[in-house]
Amino acid sequence: GAGVSQSPSNKVTEKGKDVELRCDPISGHTALYWYRQSLGQGLEFLIYFQGNSAPDKSGLPSDRFSAERTGGSVSTLTIQRTQQEDSAVYLCASSLGGLGYEQYFGPGTRLTVT
Amino acid sequence: QKEVEQNSGPLSVPEGAIASLNCTYSDRGSQSFFWYRQYSGKSPELIMSIYSNGDKEDGRFTAQLNKASQYVSLLIRDSQPSDSATYLCAVSRGSRLTFGEGTQLTVNP
Repeated sequence: GAGVSQSPSNKVTEKGKDVELRCDPISGHTALYWYRQSLGQGLEFLIYFQGNSAPDKSGLPSDRFSAERTGGSVSTLTIQRTQQEDSAVYLCASSLGGLGYEQYFGPGTRLTVT
Repeated sequence: QKEVEQNSGPLSVPEGAIASLNCTYSDRGSQSFFWYRQYSGKSPELIMSIYSNGDKEDGRFTAQLNKASQYVSLLIRDSQPSDSATYLCAVSRGSRLTFGEGTQLTVNP
């Protein structure tokens, strides 16, 4: 079946602009996660959704970052007033459930803030 | 102390050899353990999951877990050049994954 999809694959934006990143999880997966991967920081957790609610958003680095999930499916990660340190690959993953289930990653969105 | 630590690498092995990748974790409450493979410029791909002490085999891959020692390993038998990638160890206690920094493996033909 189809895997996790993300769009856009690449995004270049100017410092101070807002960006939206989209994730479409594997059909039937109730849990959805956002991570980001940057040089020197490794892969870090941002937020976890179970259905449409986010029981763990402790990894969001600042209040410029927000995310929502609608219909228990598609999720959008929004970064307001982007900064250069936001440049990274943003990865979405989904799993059948939220506790210990295997997580499958999408191809990622490479964000570059100029 | 990092939550998840892996061999710094890089690790280089000849084709056909066994590659051994190691990982230790600090949270004794961790319950789920995963190995991901990541090719350069690509996203992580799940290759193994392990939840209980002992060995778990899947084809050329064997994951080993020792919760008492807080240690997870991945063995790749009959290594192939296509196995050349960065291998990420990931650990979870609840829902989120905590990743190590990865070990870069090169398999030489």
